[in-house]
Amino acid sequence: DVKVTQSSRYLVKRTGEKVFLECVQDMDHENMFWYRQDPGLGLRLIYFSYDVKMKEKGDIPEGYSVSREKKERFSLILESASTNQTSMYLCASSPTARQTTEAFFGQGTRLTVV
Amino acid sequence: DAKTTQPTSMDCAEGRAANLPCNHSTISGNEYVYWYRQIHSQGPQYIIHGLKNNETNEMASLIITEDRKSSTLILPHATLRDTAVYYCIVRVAHFGNEKLTFGTGTRLTIIP
Repeated sequence: DVKVTQSSRYLVKRTGEKVFLECVQDMDHENMFWYRQDPGLGLRLIYFSYDVKMKEKGDIPEGYSVSREKKERFSLILESASTNQTSMYLCASSPTARQTTEAFFGQGTRLTVV
Repeated sequence: DAKTTQPTSMDCAEGRAANLPCNHSTISGNEYVYWYRQIHSQGPQYIIHGLKNNETNEMASLIITEDRKSSTLILPHATLRDTAVYYCIVRVAHFGNEKLTFGTGTRLTIIP
């Protein structure tokens, strides 16, 4: 089974802290994605990566950065956490292929910034 | 990516067929229709996808109109465990330097 693992299920951080959210996938997928999910707003794409060391901005990249040093790992970084970044964060991965492919999601990290 | 439009919420009686519509009037010829669902407190899970023919798997059926401007996901005998948010998205055949975007989906509630 494809597995996408997020390092923490729940996280509480203080305003101004630097926060790292880690995501690891075990299926050698080229593409990885970070989303945040808030009530009434659905899933919003923050950043994605289609290869090691490559990154692209999604729809709401402000206040976030990412790192992809290894193919299996995609990290989301909150340089200086703020209360409006309290949210559920979801990571996903998918392969690049000529055939149609699905994306696989992790279980999510519920981040609270106090 | 083509934009999709879904109703915000729907109810369905347990045991009945749940029909979830999706409008994607700007879909391109090489874009597939994908459906995912998200059960509370879990990550989204893939259900089914199609290009232009109707598709069926063990979870659901997907009906795509001939002009491909809309589709319907059908859960033939809805159970309480089908209560979830359902997302309809359109994507090209492969990922690669492209966004994968979701909207707000349809919140389906199965009523006992």
